[in-house]
Amino acid sequence: DTAVSQTPKYLVTQMGNDKSIKCEQNLGHDTMYWYKQDSKKFLKIMFSYNNKELIINETVPNRFSPKSPDKAHLNLHINSLELGDSAVYFCASSHRTSGRGNTGELFFGEGSRLTVL
Amino acid sequence: AQTVTQSQPEMSVQEAETVTLSCTYDTSENNYYLFWYKQPPSRQMILVIRQEAYKQQNATENRFSVNFQKAAKSFSLKISDSQLGDTAMYFCALARGNTGKLIFGQGTTLQVKP
Repeated sequence: DTAVSQTPKYLVTQMGNDKSIKCEQNLGHDTMYWYKQDSKKFLKIMFSYNNKELIINETVPNRFSPKSPDKAHLNLHINSLELGDSAVYFCASSHRTSGRGNTGELFFGEGSRLTVL
Repeated sequence: AQTVTQSQPEMSVQEAETVTLSCTYDTSENNYYLFWYKQPPSRQMILVIRQEAYKQQNATENRFSVNFQKAAKSFSLKISDSQLGDTAMYFCALARGNTGKLIFGQGTTLQVKP
């Protein structure tokens, strides 16, 4: 069974469109994340949710809106897509709560490659 | 601010040889974790090894070991008996406490040659 799964794995769309990427984890973790990897392979955190509560929100444009219906799911919706949004988006999860075997390790999904034309 | 620097964009090693990837970091925190992640061409991010800053003993995982120099803020990765499957991009990362907010280095592309 896949621990952290993202859909779709590839997404090609036109500028100005709205798109969503879904993420689910079956590890029982309480915290989920979205990371962005740009064309130079640089990875940077975008958002983090702990038990459905937003706890990290980096300087990301308002066009990006994460939604966490429950602690096993964290979706990313992007409005009015721009060329610069082309990247690989990684979902990840971890056990953040203290005293529950927190190792600090993040488990990543396989990434979703978004191409904006 | 926390930063992570990997000064070697690309490296290569012959199969069965040993290679060391460098990483330096900067943080004012006392409680932090350091990681090496591997990203093969398949794109999946895979944890190679982790180190808690409060532990003096260097972490090891089979053929992978680290040289953690806390005072120098250095965290290098040594891969022994390199295998073709080790070919990947390697990222050094720093996390403050258990926040899960990883600060990544620029990455080092490692090519293992037969």
